[in-house]
Amino acid sequence: QKEVEQNSGPLSVPEGAIASLNCTYSDRVSQSFFWYRQYSGKSPELIMSIYSNGDKEDGRFTAQLNKASQYVSLLIRDSQPSDSATYLCAVNQSPGNTDKLIFGTGTRLQVFP
Amino acid sequence: DGGITQSPKYLFRKEGQNVTLSCEQNLNHDAMYWYRQDPGQGLRLIYYSQIVNDFQKGDIAEGYSVSREKKESFPLTVTSAQKNPTAFYLCASSIQVYSNQPQHFGDGTRLSIL
Repeated sequence: QKEVEQNSGPLSVPEGAIASLNCTYSDRVSQSFFWYRQYSGKSPELIMSIYSNGDKEDGRFTAQLNKASQYVSLLIRDSQPSDSATYLCAVNQSPGNTDKLIFGTGTRLQVFP
Repeated sequence: DGGITQSPKYLFRKEGQNVTLSCEQNLNHDAMYWYRQDPGQGLRLIYYSQIVNDFQKGDIAEGYSVSREKKESFPLTVTSAQKNPTAFYLCASSIQVYSNQPQHFGDGTRLSIL
């Protein structure tokens, strides 16, 4: 079982719709979770961090964390063509280990006009 | 502006050659990291450093070497022992290890074999 799993996509949504990206992880005691956006040929850019159960909103982005079910999701409201990118989920393994981020392989999002 | 600078943006390696990728940060971060990204794969950790003059192997350290002589700098050498070096190399930094803080990335270096 992969430590951090994401559906590779592509996930295609029309402009203005809500895009929902999901990620599951295997280390039950992981404590910090991150979403990165990576445009083709570019480096990853941090867009959200979440540390506790529930929702965290930042503009059009909402991160949701459910530690009991071991999943974290990213919702993008009012999707725009400029949101078309690969979204990487990253999970920090339990403390006492290295400060090691485990990355999923990413979900490719396509927003069409 | 504070950030992470990687150079060069593109690099070509000849057979049997060692090449060095530069990574400099002015964020005053203690921790620095090197990742490799191949198409369709996630980021894989090569080496990381928690503090000056200290570094640890990541998951795929074979064929690579690093140094950390200054807090701001963490160069990566891809040696001739690395038989499949073609990849996108990303340098990252974070405030400190064990902090649960996110890592921030430079713009990357794309390495190819001539």
